[in-house]
Amino acid sequence: GAGVSQSPSNKVTEKGKDVELRCDPISGHTALYWYRQSLGQGLEFLIYFQGNSAPDKSGLPSDRFSAERTGGSVSTLTIQRTQQEDSAVYLCATRQSVDTQYFGPGTRLTVL
Amino acid sequence: GENVEQHPSTLSVQEGDSAVIKCTYSDSASNYFPWYKQELGKRPQLIIDIRSNVGEKKDQRIAVTLNKTAKHFSLHITETQPEDSAVYFCAASTTGNQFYFGTGTSLTVIP
Repeated sequence: GAGVSQSPSNKVTEKGKDVELRCDPISGHTALYWYRQSLGQGLEFLIYFQGNSAPDKSGLPSDRFSAERTGGSVSTLTIQRTQQEDSAVYLCATRQSVDTQYFGPGTRLTVL
Repeated sequence: GENVEQHPSTLSVQEGDSAVIKCTYSDSASNYFPWYKQELGKRPQLIIDIRSNVGEKKDQRIAVTLNKTAKHFSLHITETQPEDSAVYFCAASTTGNQFYFGTGTSLTVIP
């Protein structure tokens, strides 16, 4: 079946602009995670949605970052007033009831 | 919260040799330990995982071992091939919760 998809695949923006990144999970996957991966670095946890529970936002680096998940399906990560240090690959991953987590292809964000 | 440490950060082996990557975790409640392979410019892909009720799991040339007492788990790749070259990440999780990732190991298999 279809895997996790993300859009756009690449996004170039100017410093100070807002951006929205989208994640479409695998159908039926109740858990959704956002991670940030800077060049050559590991996976930095940002936020986690599980069903109808309140999201775990403990990884969001600042109040410029927010995310929502509509109807328990599609998720949008929003970065306001982007800064150059926000440049990274943003990865979404989803999980069904058991543990295996599947990653999307990522969105490469470049802030000029 | 959980803290996962991964070693080494880089590893070079000759083709045909074995490679071992080790991770330690701090939270005894963690019960699921996946390993991901990430090729350059691509998404992390699950290659093997192990749950806390099992001590070892094998899948062809790849194996994972878990020592719950010592809180460490390891990835073993035998008969390495050039296509095994990638960055490998370990992770620890408690069922239904957040995943904590190691910092990654860049494996290079020299032909």
